[in-house]
Amino acid sequence: AQKITQTQPGMFVQEKEAVTLDCTYDTSDPSYGLFWYKQPSSGEMIFLIYQGSYDQQNATEGRYSLNFQKARKSANLVISASQLGDSAMYFCAMREGNGGYNKLIFGAGTRLAVHP
Amino acid sequence: NAGVMQNPRHLVRRRGQEARLRCSPMKGHSHVYWYRQLPEEGLKFMVYLQKENIIDESGMPKERFSAEFPKEGPSILRIQQVVRGDSAAYFCASSLKPPGQGPNTEAFFGQGTRLTVV
Repeated sequence: AQKITQTQPGMFVQEKEAVTLDCTYDTSDPSYGLFWYKQPSSGEMIFLIYQGSYDQQNATEGRYSLNFQKARKSANLVISASQLGDSAMYFCAMREGNGGYNKLIFGAGTRLAVHP
Repeated sequence: NAGVMQNPRHLVRRRGQEARLRCSPMKGHSHVYWYRQLPEEGLKFMVYLQKENIIDESGMPKERFSAEFPKEGPSILRIQQVVRGDSAAYFCASSLKPPGQGPNTEAFFGQGTRLTVV
């Protein structure tokens, strides 16, 4: 079974609107971390946001927020006020275990296109 | 404060040649991870190293691939006798010691090395 599932191969959004990128995960470990990375066409992996399984509040970083629903095992990324520069691939990833190292499990990604 | 540096950015090798990919972690980071990204796929973990030690190589192919992180110098991912299926982007990441729950535990990625085998 896939550990990280991103069901949207592609998404598009109008500039200045909000968009939600879906991510569900599967783990039996009570302690884990969830990450979102952005990969623009230039290829680098840019860290966006992190959510720990014991964090009480949803993570936010500027225009990025993580809608963490533990019972549903989902960790959707919300990008508010989309910009043209947000067009990229977005990867959800999970790290299992407490104090574990960064052996991340990645989803297949969602390609986001922001239209003017 | 330089980020994770990988070189070369692009590497072309003929089938049967060796490929050597280099990764210098962020300053102060002693944990290095290598990932491989095949076209149109997510990254797949290959190996985790600390200085002079391989901690987890569960994602590394058993043959032709090796990795090291010497006491001095960058981490090296070495692929011997490359084949077309090795064509991919190889990413290195580094993190502080030790990562765990809480903020600032993320792995920082380099820009990747794109290997093309012809």
